[in-house]
Amino acid sequence: GAVVSQHPSWVICKSGTSVKIECRSLDFQATTMFWYRQFPKQSLMLMATSNEGSKATYEQGVEKDKFLINHASLTLSTLTVTSAHPEDSSFYICSASAQTGAKNIQYFGAGTRLSVL
Amino acid sequence: SQQGEEDPQALSIQEGENATMNCSYKTSINNLQWYRQNSGRGLVHLILIRSNEREKHSGRLRVTLDTSKKSSSLLITASRAADTASYFCATPQGGSEKLVFGKGTKLTVNP
Repeated sequence: GAVVSQHPSWVICKSGTSVKIECRSLDFQATTMFWYRQFPKQSLMLMATSNEGSKATYEQGVEKDKFLINHASLTLSTLTVTSAHPEDSSFYICSASAQTGAKNIQYFGAGTRLSVL
Repeated sequence: SQQGEEDPQALSIQEGENATMNCSYKTSINNLQWYRQNSGRGLVHLILIRSNEREKHSGRLRVTLDTSKKSSSLLITASRAADTASYFCATPQGGSEKLVFGKGTKLTVNP
């Protein structure tokens, strides 16, 4: 199946610093990638949809200046958490959409656990 | 909101038993998908069932879909300890590629 690599898997940073998370599709081209946030024991919350070569589309309530998304190539999307604060601590997961006929299946990275001190 | 609702929220069974999880959704769909998430990891796609299908099998997995009741079920037969994970249903949002995930069922299979 399609493989999505997410890096880093775990990061600790000081409050006020920025953190970049990478999401790569390894064996397929992903014109669309998604960024989710997941709180403990909860479901995934879609933050934004990332389209190659264009601006990301953010979900309501997600600060675009806080969570910068860049999708510069068909295999790489990055999420930068700017000026991180403890409330940004969470599990961030990316996925890439692979269309097969009429199906839209998402392939997920392993996630990044962010802890802001 | 089209968010699916799984039930039960948590399920604990013994190895060898069957596990059944249910999902309800609110709007019309063209397909419904089930994903699995091991603790602290990303999600893995398990199976997709189209709106014109009523049942689908994949190995020990059996998925049903009842569009009149806007519900789906995932049955895992002959469960194993390695099946311990959270299971989410997901439905496409409108005609977009976005998926809306349910709240998940946390399955624990005891050896």
